[in-house]
Amino acid sequence: GENVGLHLPTLSVQEGDNSIINCAYSNSASDYFIWYKQESGKGPQFIIDIRSNMDKRQGQRVTVLLNKTVKHLSLQIAATQPGDSAVYFCAENMRGNKLVFGAGTILRVKS
Amino acid sequence: DTAVSQTPKYLVTQMGNDKSIKCEQNLGHDTMYWYKQDSKKFLKIMFSYNNKELIINETVPNRFSPKSPDKAHLNLHINSLELGDSAVYFCASSQRGYTLMGYTFGSGTRLTVV
Repeated sequence: GENVGLHLPTLSVQEGDNSIINCAYSNSASDYFIWYKQESGKGPQFIIDIRSNMDKRQGQRVTVLLNKTVKHLSLQIAATQPGDSAVYFCAENMRGNKLVFGAGTILRVKS
Repeated sequence: DTAVSQTPKYLVTQMGNDKSIKCEQNLGHDTMYWYKQDSKKFLKIMFSYNNKELIINETVPNRFSPKSPDKAHLNLHINSLELGDSAVYFCASSQRGYTLMGYTFGSGTRLTVV
């Protein structure tokens, strides 16, 4: 597939299992964080966001956790489905409304 | 209705040529962006315009010139194309000061310089 040979961190999970994707961000002054999903041939698509005054936010099947002490974000996907296979990016909103992306993690869901 | 649309979707061109990529958004947002995604999938911001005014200009060769005729359009013109310009270019939009839902991205323009 398109992501072969990319050397991004890859998470392989069995369909129905839960997935946890991790991200370290760089700027302690960042006030807003977003997780994006990018499917092959498409642009990044918003999944869930969290402000820096929160440490957890839940959506439909997804949860984002924020640990400001160690500058760490995670995305938890419950009951992972084949349609969840994609590259996942965390992004931090820096001063000046500039969204800076992390390196990306490939999620592969095995049926 | 496509919220952020880019044209063309694919662009193959020879080194040294000049090319443009167009972007339009129908979300009523006041800020638009160009991002470059390299072969390692790394997404890096290039430019940002707010109400036709340039507000972010990262370290990008001056062969790249963005133009915003109005707040719904942001085009990217590239002069003297080089092999290293090959990448996927994404346009995005947002409402400044209202970061809920982040940015809305277009589906990208894959530029291949040969």
